Amino acid sequence: AQSVTQLDSQVPVFEEAPVELRCNYSSSVSVYLFWYVQYPNQGLQLLLKYLSGSTLVESINGFEAEFNKSQTSFHLRKPSVHISDTAEYFCAVTLTTSGTYKYIFGTGTRLKVLA
Amino acid sequence: DAGVIQSPRHEVTEMGQEVTLRCKPISGHNSLFWYRQTMMRGLELLIYFNNNVPIDDSGMPEDRFSAKMPNASFSTLKIQPSEPRDSAVYFCASTSTPTSSYEQYFGPGTRLTVT
Repeated sequence: AQSVTQLDSQVPVFEEAPVELRCNYSSSVSVYLFWYVQYPNQGLQLLLKYLSGSTLVESINGFEAEFNKSQTSFHLRKPSVHISDTAEYFCAVTLTTSGTYKYIFGTGTRLKVLA
Repeated sequence: DAGVIQSPRHEVTEMGQEVTLRCKPISGHNSLFWYRQTMMRGLELLIYFNNNVPIDDSGMPEDRFSAKMPNASFSTLKIQPSEPRDSAVYFCASTSTPTSSYEQYFGPGTRLTVT
């Protein structure tokens, strides 16, 4: 069975410091991997995804994640965070069924950026 | 495009009452997902539809919950009778399948409080 583990439920970090949010998955088949962000009182938005090709993927606002097949990880990083990055971040993998697919989400990591 | 539309945005009801949550997916999308988010359990997939047909309802907590998708532009999630433990934020998401992007688009959510 596929599953996603986000070990850190909360990560406090000072503004302009680097951050890494960890995500590990278990799957017996090839997967697609995603990071979604949820700002307070909003729905989830796609931040970045890995489908194939380069194992390092980037978002438009400076986040990046690297797919590591041997370690079954897809950690999210940013070299310098801003107050506006305060949000909850969800890692997800896909599970395909009969030509459709669904996500398996992790439990989320709350990133709190401190001034 | 207006994005995924959910109504109501907030619902407060008394235990035992029927609650109906509504979702309008993005035009052209043929897959629709209902999620529930709580502090204790995180983000849970309740049910998803493809071409208006329920594909997987294994996440529906019990018979008090039911979901329908009578056409491609409308879906409902009904709880009857409601209980305090149903208090949560309910999200609807839509996407196109088959797809090359695997991106789901989330609505703003309905915050349900059952007293």
